[in-house]
Amino acid sequence: DIQMTQSPSSLSASVGDRVTITCRASQSISSYLNWYQQKPGKAPKLLIYAASSLQSGVPSRFSGSGSGTDFTLTISSLQPEDFATYYCQQSYSTPRITFGPGTKVDIK
Amino acid sequence: EVQLVESGGGLVQPGGSLRLSCAASGFTFSSYEMNWVRQAPGKGLEWVSYISSSGSTIYYADSVKGRFTISRDNAKNSLYLQMNSLRAEDTAVYYCTRVDILTGYPIDYWGQGTLVTVSS
Repeated sequence: DIQMTQSPSSLSASVGDRVTITCRASQSISSYLNWYQQKPGKAPKLLIYAASSLQSGVPSRFSGSGSGTDFTLTISSLQPEDFATYYCQQSYSTPRITFGPGTKVDIK
Repeated sequence: EVQLVESGGGLVQPGGSLRLSCAASGFTFSSYEMNWVRQAPGKGLEWVSYISSSGSTIYYADSVKGRFTISRDNAKNSLYLQMNSLRAEDTAVYYCTRVDILTGYPIDYWGQGTLVTVSS
């Protein structure tokens, strides 16, 4: 199975901050990397697919980059509604997909 | 509007069985591959099972293989997960999810989830 890691596991930030979350795959997954946002008590929501494509309706302050084994999710200017947990997920070995352990973003 | 609505969760004793259902609407269900994904309390996301659009191809995570059975009824726009020999570690919110095969197989829609609690 392809293992996914994320760093940091949590971070504290202020509104307006630029936030970067890193995801690493245990082997090359090309650009088959997706990012999700999950708020407490809610289902995850797709933000970025294919490493860098913005899902319809997602604000442009979210962006993704990377290929191969190393990927990044960036929030250019953190908004109050962005405090949540973020998960990366590889779909290279679909249907045997795997998720990263998550990064919790909370208020400083 | 795409909607996935799960039902069937609840409290069950270890060794017991439960059948989850997912009612899909707002899209051509028979054209989409589907997954069940679960999340234990306070934990991350774990893929459980996959079924192709026709139902002819099925995969399971090793943790549930031999105990869980995924199925679908395209005429009823419904996805199912039959869970047998349940264990405490199966306690989780179970999400019905849709796979977007056109954009690199992300999960583009999730249901609201149904909680399964395995406890005596």
